[in-house]
Amino acid sequence: AQKVTQAQTEISVVEKEDVTLDCVYETRDTTYYLFWYKQPPSGELVFLIRRNSFDEQNEISGRYSWNFQKSTSSFNFTITASQVVDSAVYFCALSSYNQGGKLIFGQGTELSVKP
Amino acid sequence: EADIYQTPRYLVIGTGKKITLECSQTMGHDKMYWYQQDPGMELHLIHYSYGVNSTEKGDLSSESTVSRIRTEHFPLTLESARPSHTSQYLCASSDPGQANTEAFFGQGTRLTVV
Repeated sequence: AQKVTQAQTEISVVEKEDVTLDCVYETRDTTYYLFWYKQPPSGELVFLIRRNSFDEQNEISGRYSWNFQKSTSSFNFTITASQVVDSAVYFCALSSYNQGGKLIFGQGTELSVKP
Repeated sequence: EADIYQTPRYLVIGTGKKITLECSQTMGHDKMYWYQQDPGMELHLIHYSYGVNSTEKGDLSSESTVSRIRTEHFPLTLESARPSHTSQYLCASSDPGQANTEAFFGQGTRLTVV
């Protein structure tokens, strides 16, 4: 069975703090893909990153960085120097190679960045 | 910038009414999906399609139905709406040319059945 767990339901930080959102996944497949999406109050899901299971390199994009560790089945997301505009719900998702793009989502983490 | 559109954005409707939620994409994607998002935030796949005349049920059982007569259009229908159908419905599409490429999402339809 496939599963994605985001243990942090809500996180509240003050602007300029660093914050890490945790994501742990379960799958028996050897080829799979991991994603992070952002859902602002307007409701749409905004794609942030896609990682395949063979690429464990960490990635940095501006203030965003992702740490993929197969040994612990984790794909954590860090926002450095958080800003009020980062306030949103963040979803981690998993898709296996043979699942045709269907996504298994975690429960989501609601991030609130206060000024 | 994703080119996938959902209408209406918000809908309040009475019990027993028939409703259709519209979803259109202009990217030529073969794969399209409907996800249901409950107030507790978690998203679940309820329908998907890999092309014209192809539709399958997702992991979460739903009383809704879908059709795929044209590549760009993937409407979802509830024949008789009930309060238990109150939720947000998100449509998505993805490019079949690459393995498990990212899905692009519409802005969602927030449905309230009273």
